[in-house]
Amino acid sequence: DAKTTQPTSMDCAEGRAANLPCNHSTISGNEYVYWYRQIHSQGPQYIIHGLKNNETNEMASLIITEDRKSSTLILPHATLRDTAVYYCIVRVAVTQGGSEKLVFGKGMKLTVNP
Amino acid sequence: DSGVTQTPKHLITATGQRVTLRCSPRSGDLSVYWYQQSLDQGLQFLIQYYNGEERAKGNILERFSAQQFPDLHSELNLSSLELGDSALYFCASSVVATASDTQYFGPGTRLTVL
Repeated sequence: DAKTTQPTSMDCAEGRAANLPCNHSTISGNEYVYWYRQIHSQGPQYIIHGLKNNETNEMASLIITEDRKSSTLILPHATLRDTAVYYCIVRVAVTQGGSEKLVFGKGMKLTVNP
Repeated sequence: DSGVTQTPKHLITATGQRVTLRCSPRSGDLSVYWYQQSLDQGLQFLIQYYNGEERAKGNILERFSAQQFPDLHSELNLSSLELGDSALYFCASSVVATASDTQYFGPGTRLTVL
């Protein structure tokens, strides 16, 4: 599985956009970029994923660079409830019979301040 | 609410004992994954089942076993418990088993071994 690099922590002001970077310079062409977050000790929460194109859903936007070596998760209007550990995961597309596990790194702690 | 349920929420037991953790996947999901989260190891993949059959194994100890039943719920059995087994145990489910198929996590079971 390709390795990802995230900052250890980041602060953001409430109401502002939070831009969370992730480097995945060894990503392969068939590997997806996934973002999850974990609030305190709750179960990891799926946010968004993408392969090549930028993606947007009700929670966030995912911007993937053209060379796919890095990506940015954007929370457009951060709230206090967005304070969490955010995980950027690169996941290989295996054929049936392989493992589709998620490999979590240490993640990045985002703190949204009032 | 992800739709994945786990019971019990908390479990306190003694060393040497055996416990069973239960997971009910989201309606329609065929694949179930188990993860362990301890303070020093982070989130680690343990084992995956797909439609009743074991599909992949991760860092699962021989003292641990799992199964997925015909109704697709899954159980993780932990035996000869040691202090180091104290951790959060999460179950996740997905519709099928591909890398573009999102895994949704349950709220977890917190196991404390005294």
